[in-house]
Amino acid sequence: GEDVEQSLFLSVREGDSSVINCTYTDSSSTYLYWYKQEPGAGLQLLTYIFSNMDMKQDQRLTVLLNKKDKHLSLRIADTQTGDSAIYFCAAIDYNQGGKLIFGQGTELSVKP
Amino acid sequence: KAGVTQTPRYLIKTRGQQVTLSCSPISGHRSVSWYQQTPGQGLQFLFEYFSETQRNKGNFPGRFSGRQFSNSRSEMNVSTLELGDSALYLCASSTDISSGNEQFFGPGTRLTVL
Repeated sequence: GEDVEQSLFLSVREGDSSVINCTYTDSSSTYLYWYKQEPGAGLQLLTYIFSNMDMKQDQRLTVLLNKKDKHLSLRIADTQTGDSAIYFCAAIDYNQGGKLIFGQGTELSVKP
Repeated sequence: KAGVTQTPRYLIKTRGQQVTLSCSPISGHRSVSWYQQTPGQGLQFLFEYFSETQRNKGNFPGRFSGRQFSNSRSEMNVSTLELGDSALYLCASSTDISSGNEQFFGPGTRLTVL
């Protein structure tokens, strides 16, 4: 089945760009998602990308997809302290009925 | 449109008890999935219901069960609670996850087992 992996921590300065990376194993995953979780809250869908796309931009967020390497990244431009949260990458596993497989989450810490 | 709601938000139970959690999906969404989030195991899929039928199930013991009603609301039940069941239980709704439609999550129910 699908396996998704992320680095656990990232620390950046306010105003810098953040890049959160994710790798997945199942090339049949057609949808890849980025979720944000703030302390004590549920998951907020940030953005998603179809596997036939290489890049998707949405305001300060840019998603890059390298299908050959099964690598997904989320870039946050002009990172703010309010962006401090845990970011989860997730992939659809069609071999298991379309359930979401999540990475471990990357904790982003933004220092002023 | 109202988001996904979960009740209660917090629960404290003791070992051996049973608990029922509730999830109301976004209006029009027929798919409801449940996930368990713990610091050690991360986010793990419990099960998914679509039109009142369990369509998919994760690797959890039979103590974990669920159901979905005709209005798409879903409940999850955990019997004979163990300390390790302490977790954040998240519910997500979608028009249909098997078509790849995005899932929207509720705020979760924080269950503490003493």
